[in-house]
Amino acid sequence: AQSVTQPDIHITVSEGASLELRCNYSYGATPYLFWYVQSPGQGLQLLLKYFSGDTLVQGIKGFEAEFKRSQSSFNLRKPSVHWSDAAEYFCAVGGAGNNRKLIWGLGTSLAVNP
Amino acid sequence: DGGITQSPKYLFRKEGQNVTLSCEQNLNHDAMYWYRQDPGQGLRLIYYSQIVNDFQKGDIAEGYSVSREKKESFPLTVTSAQKNPTAFYLCASSPQEVGTHEQYFGPGTRLTVT
Repeated sequence: AQSVTQPDIHITVSEGASLELRCNYSYGATPYLFWYVQSPGQGLQLLLKYFSGDTLVQGIKGFEAEFKRSQSSFNLRKPSVHWSDAAEYFCAVGGAGNNRKLIWGLGTSLAVNP
Repeated sequence: DGGITQSPKYLFRKEGQNVTLSCEQNLNHDAMYWYRQDPGQGLRLIYYSQIVNDFQKGDIAEGYSVSREKKESFPLTVTSAQKNPTAFYLCASSPQEVGTHEQYFGPGTRLTVT
């Protein structure tokens, strides 16, 4: 079955600390992978995406993610977290072809301590 | 300025009434989606449309209906048959070019039914 798992429901980090949010997926074909961020009461914003090529992808707001096929993972990282990064983060996977539906993780809520 | 608009941002209805949520996009995207978001449950797909005059049920279509008469518009009707309609509703769109799967989201509509 196709699925996305975000093992951490809630994470708290101190401002300036590094961050890694985990995402594991189960998908039968070559995956397209995404990370989105959602501030409270707002829509989702695309942080970065992986389709092919370099397995380390850079996104907006200083985020990066690494695709590891052998581990079926696409973890999101940031070297130094800012208070404004506090939000909900969602990982999603899709596939090639005409089926454009995405499969979503349940999200990780990030809190940032000053 | 391209994007997706959802109106209104907050909507209140009495139980037993149908209500229609608006979603408009000027990104010239072929595909559009409706999601429902409840705390701790991530995004659940209600309906999606890959082309004008065609749409498919998602994972939780019962109690909802949609239409896609124009490329730019994909309104969602929450009917009185939806047993628990209070939620945050998100509309999204995506291009159909090969190799693109990312979805772009509107700001959402919070529906409260009492």
